[in-house]
Amino acid sequence: AQSVAQPEDQVNVAEGNPLTVKCTYSVSGNPYLFWYVQYPNRGLQFLLKYITGDNLVKGSYGFEAEFNKSQTSFHLKKPSALVSDSALYFCAVRDIKHQAGTALIFGKGTTLSVSS
Amino acid sequence: NAGVTQTPKFQVLKTGQSMTLQCAQDMNHNSMYWYRQDPGMGLRLIYYSASEGTTDKGEVPNGYNVSRLNKREFSLRLESAAPSQTSVYFCASSEAYYGYTFGSGTRLTVV
Repeated sequence: AQSVAQPEDQVNVAEGNPLTVKCTYSVSGNPYLFWYVQYPNRGLQFLLKYITGDNLVKGSYGFEAEFNKSQTSFHLKKPSALVSDSALYFCAVRDIKHQAGTALIFGKGTTLSVSS
Repeated sequence: NAGVTQTPKFQVLKTGQSMTLQCAQDMNHNSMYWYRQDPGMGLRLIYYSASEGTTDKGEVPNGYNVSRLNKREFSLRLESAAPSQTSVYFCASSEAYYGYTFGSGTRLTVV
């Protein structure tokens, strides 16, 4: 069965420090991977995706993610955290069991807290 | 502004009541989705519509029905609400793998 895991419920970093939010996946075939961010009382916003190509993917707001096939991971990173990055982050993978192939399976989410 | 519009934003229902959550997108996307978000469980797919005229069940379809009224609109109906359906509901749309655009959500409480 396909799945995506976010092993940390919460990540705490100081402003200006690098941040990493972890994601691992289990899929059949080539994974299509995504990161989304949710600010309080808002819908999710798309950050970046990996479908094919370079293992390092750059996205919105200075975020990037590294696809590692051998470790089945897709960790979200940012070189220098901002207080405004504090939010709930979701990793997602394409669910291939649905015929159209565009439905996503989401992880449980990781709360990122950036302190000033 | 372009995007996904959901109505209502908040709703309180009594057990057994019915209601329809409305969703409309103006980005000409083919695919639309309904997810529910519960604390500690992430988002779970209820139903989706790959294109106008088609709908399919997701992970948690029981107790829900959907209608893809046209390319823009995708509604979610609760025929007989139960407390277990207390959740935040999100509608989303997408075109291929360009990423979803989400609505702002409907916070539903069933008492």
